[in-house]
Amino acid sequence: DVKVTQSSRYLVKRTGEKVFLECVQDMDHENMFWYRQDPGLGLRLIYFSYDVKMKEKGDIPEGYSVSREKKERFSLILESASTNQTSMYLCASSFEIRGTGPSNYGYTFGSGTRLTVV
Amino acid sequence: AQKVTQAQTEISVVEKEDVTLDCVYETRDTTYYLFWYKQPPSGELVFLIRRNSFDEQNEISGRYSWNFQKSTSSFNFTITASQVVDSAVYFCALSEAAGNKLTFGGGTRVLVKP
Repeated sequence: DVKVTQSSRYLVKRTGEKVFLECVQDMDHENMFWYRQDPGLGLRLIYFSYDVKMKEKGDIPEGYSVSREKKERFSLILESASTNQTSMYLCASSFEIRGTGPSNYGYTFGSGTRLTVV
Repeated sequence: AQKVTQAQTEISVVEKEDVTLDCVYETRDTTYYLFWYKQPPSGELVFLIRRNSFDEQNEISGRYSWNFQKSTSSFNFTITASQVVDSAVYFCALSEAAGNKLTFGGGTRVLVKP
């Protein structure tokens, strides 16, 4: 089974701290994503990466940055954590499913990191 | 831009009742994919179904069924004879073929009471 592993399940940080959320996948997937989940808003895309050292902004990139130095690892960075970044963060990776019609991707999600900024 | 709307924020039913979750989407692409995920209290997202825009056949998998209506841009999900283990948050999502990004709806929390 493909695994997407997020390093921490729960995290508590202070306002102004620099925070790193780590995500590792073990199946050589090209694409990786960071989402945040808030009640009533669903999952919103923060950043994604389609290759090593490549990154693209998602829908809500403000206050975040990312790093992808190796294919299997995608890090989300909160440069200066604020209380409005308290949320559940989910990492995902995707792979192309060939032979099933037009370009189609399957997605695997990590278990999430619940971050509280105090 | 693509958008997914799940108008129902929470549904509460008694065990063995049927429950239908609505999903309406917007996209300018002619090729796209629709997904449903389940998120139980443990937090992980469990994949339920993927449907491409060219396949409007309804699908049934055990107690789950999906109704894809391109004319109304809807992809509704029905749980038949609900069980307590169906209690979870359910997300509908859309991916445009070229973009490879999933856009999620706000989710519907389903509570099945014994």
